Parts: sequence; structure tokens; C-alpha cells
Amino acid sequence: GIQVEQSPPDLILQEGANSTLRCNFSDSVNNLQWFHQNPWGQLINLFYIPSGTKQNGRLSATTVATERYSLLYISSSQTTDSGVYFCAVSQWEGAQKLVFGQGTRLTINP
Amino acid sequence: EAQVTQNPRYLITVTGKKLTVTCSQNMNHEYMSWYRQDPGLGLRQIYYSMNVEVTDKGDVPEGYKVSRKEKRNFPLILESPSPNQTSLYFCASSLSPKSPEQYFGPGTRLTVT
Repeated sequence: GIQVEQSPPDLILQEGANSTLRCNFSDSVNNLQWFHQNPWGQLINLFYIPSGTKQNGRLSATTVATERYSLLYISSSQTTDSGVYFCAVSQWEGAQKLVFGQGTRLTINP
Repeated sequence: EAQVTQNPRYLITVTGKKLTVTCSQNMNHEYMSWYRQDPGLGLRQIYYSMNVEVTDKGDVPEGYKVSRKEKRNFPLILESPSPNQTSLYFCASSLSPKSPEQYFGPGTRLTVT
């Protein structure tokens, strides 16, 4: 099956810093999503981005499908950005067979 | 409020005692899924459903059953729970193939002793 690798596994930054999280996948995908799991365990959908670039406030994401990677950018980090960021992919257009990466744990210190 | 709800949120049970974790969404979503999250293994899909009466296995379906008799509900059934099913379980839903953004429930922490 498709493999998803995220890097770095851990990232510790000071408030105000910028960060880039990477997601590599082993085969072509029709569905790629980024999620944030906050320290209380809640999973929040950030982006659906099988290709191209999207922005939402301080967060943006870019997927280069032909090169099989996606990047999540967080600018001007805040302590509330702490948590684990997951990339998930599927080779189907819908949400079936969604495969998650291991996540990047981001800690933002005040 | 648009949401996915799960019950119970916490459950401690004993080996072999059948249990059901309920999941309900109020967004008229076609797709629903169940995942388990374990340390070091991440999130793994158990089962998914593309519509009423249409379900299929995910990556780790052994020991679990599901049913989709109504669009809004997708219960997860453990007929004979074992300690290796101790985990954090999430239900999720998405609108359609063209709008596959997944929305997650709050999670159910299950401990099987």
C-alpha cells in the first residue's frame, strides 16, 4: 500500500517563529489532507489539498503531486499551534482508504 | 452546531464483554469512517462506509464490526473485546467524493482488561 512519511518527527520553536512541515508519499494520490491534533486530542481538518496551494490565515499548504510531497507552512507561531500535525492521503477521490503519516509533533514555547 | 458525536467518551471493560461505540453526524455526510490511534502506530483506518448499507474494510478490521443502517449513524461493535483493542477510537465523516474533507468526533478511549 501507499506509504506516507512526515518530517521532522519533532519540532520545538519559540513563539513568533515560522515552520515548514513535510509530507512525502510513495504513489500518486487523489486526496491529501492535513490535520492538527491539539493537546486535548481533538483532530481538526486544516486543508484538503491534492494539488496546488491554499492559504488560511497564518497557515498555508502546497502539494506538488508530480513529485509526491506536500508542505505545511505555519507563520508567526503561537502557543495554540502546539500539537501533532498529520498528513493523510488516499489514492481515491473520496475519503475511503485514507492513510495517515506518523505525524510531526510541534511544540511552541512562549 | 455541525458535529460528529461519539459515545461513550471513556470506557473500561473486561475481555469478552460485547460493546458498541456509537457515532452520529448531523451534517448529512455520505462517508463515515472509524480509526484507532495507538502510540507509535499513528491513526489506522478500521472500517469505512460510503453510504447506507455500503461498508468496507480499512487496514485493521479484525475484531470489529460496523453497520450503516441510517445515514447519520455508524456504530462500531466489538463482539469479544481483547486487551490488544485498548486504544483511542475516532469516528469521522465527510460530505462526498468531491468534498472529502474529514471531520472527526472527540474520540473514545477504550481500555480492555
